[in-house]
Formats: sequence, structure tokens, C-alpha cells
Amino acid sequence: QQPVQSPQAVILREGEDAVINCSSSKALYSVHWYRQKHGEAPVFLMILLKGGEQKGHEKISASFNEKKQQSSLYLTASQLSYSGTYFCGTPTGNQFYFGTGTSLTVIP
Amino acid sequence: GAVVSQHPSRVICKSGTSVKIECRSLDFQATTMFWYRQFPKQSLMLMATSNEGSKATYEQGVEKDKFLINHASLTLSTLTVTSAHPEDSSFYICSARDPSGAFTDTQYFGPGTRLTVL
Repeated sequence: QQPVQSPQAVILREGEDAVINCSSSKALYSVHWYRQKHGEAPVFLMILLKGGEQKGHEKISASFNEKKQQSSLYLTASQLSYSGTYFCGTPTGNQFYFGTGTSLTVIP
Repeated sequence: GAVVSQHPSRVICKSGTSVKIECRSLDFQATTMFWYRQFPKQSLMLMATSNEGSKATYEQGVEKDKFLINHASLTLSTLTVTSAHPEDSSFYICSARDPSGAFTDTQYFGPGTRLTVL
């Protein structure tokens, strides 16, 4: 049930770009992206509702390929504040499952 | 955005005791709330889906007699960890859907409860 994310971890220098992928074995009707800082609850970033849709949030954007059952999160010109663990999430019926997570560390 | 509170934020208890965690939606009514558990450096694992006025739906492998869930009103769900043991120590997070929001699938999270069982 749990979507698989890649990479598991990534370290960036400030200003570099990153891509985080989320892949599901089940059909996706929507994909949510969250960021979690250590010791805190996840914070909602964005939702993608239909195939091919791309959404943006500051310098963070995402795409959703319904056919491939995948979503990707794009972080451009990364900032120190982007550090954290990123999770995709997908509703399935009445449940909601999070991906395996990607730890992102931005260093000066 | 919608606000969800969770109480307590941190609890330390002795092995064998029971602990109750409350999850409240402050500015919306939530017919469905979710309970997750997160171990260090791991993802959030769905434990159960809490439905107002009916029994919770537990995920495979989660003991319903150990993790009692009550969703007595549209703004409150409680999780009681009964006879807690050290292996129950974890970060417990609740979330709720806002059915009146623009995106009804969006999860709004409580701040989490750090449970330590000695």
C-alpha cells in the first residue's frame, strides 16, 4: 500500500536543484506532498489532483503522471530551510498512506 | 488552513499503564481522523482510521484491543494505548480531513505526541 520514494536521502549545496520521486503500485487519483522537520508534524506542501497536473509552491513544484502511477517533486535553487524529510501521500479508499520518505539536507 | 490540536505533546509513563492521547479539530468538523505512528527515521505508518459514530478501521498488524480509538464527536478522536510497553514508545500523530475545504483529501496534522514508556 505504501508508495516508494527515491532517493532515500540527498545532500545538496544551497542553490542546487533536486528531484524526489514517488511511485505507487496502485492507481493514483491524487498525490499529496508534505515536508517534515525533525520532531514536528508534517506540513502540507501541495496536492495534485489529476494526471499531468503540475503545481507550484514558491520554488517547489510537482508533477503527476497518472498512467505511470508516479509523482515527482522538484526543488529548485534550494535554500537551507528546505531541509527536512519529504513524504508523498496518497488516499486509497477511506485510508491515506505516506510514502517511504526522502531525507533532504541542504548545506551552505 | 485548518487547525488540529493534539494533547499531550509529550508523555512518559511506566510499563503497564495506559495513556490517552486526544486529537481535536479546532475550526472544522472532521468525520474522519487518522492515527499514525512514526519510529525514528521512518515514515508515518497508518494505524487506524477513526470514523465519527462508528468503529475505527485498523490496519493489518495493529492490535485494536491495545490501541483503543474513540471518535465520539465531530471534533474529537482519542487514542488510548493500553498496558503500554517500551516497544510502544514512538511519535504518535493524528490528522483530520476537512470535508468543507477546497481539497477534501488534504490531511491536517496535529503537532504529535512523543510517548516514552519506561
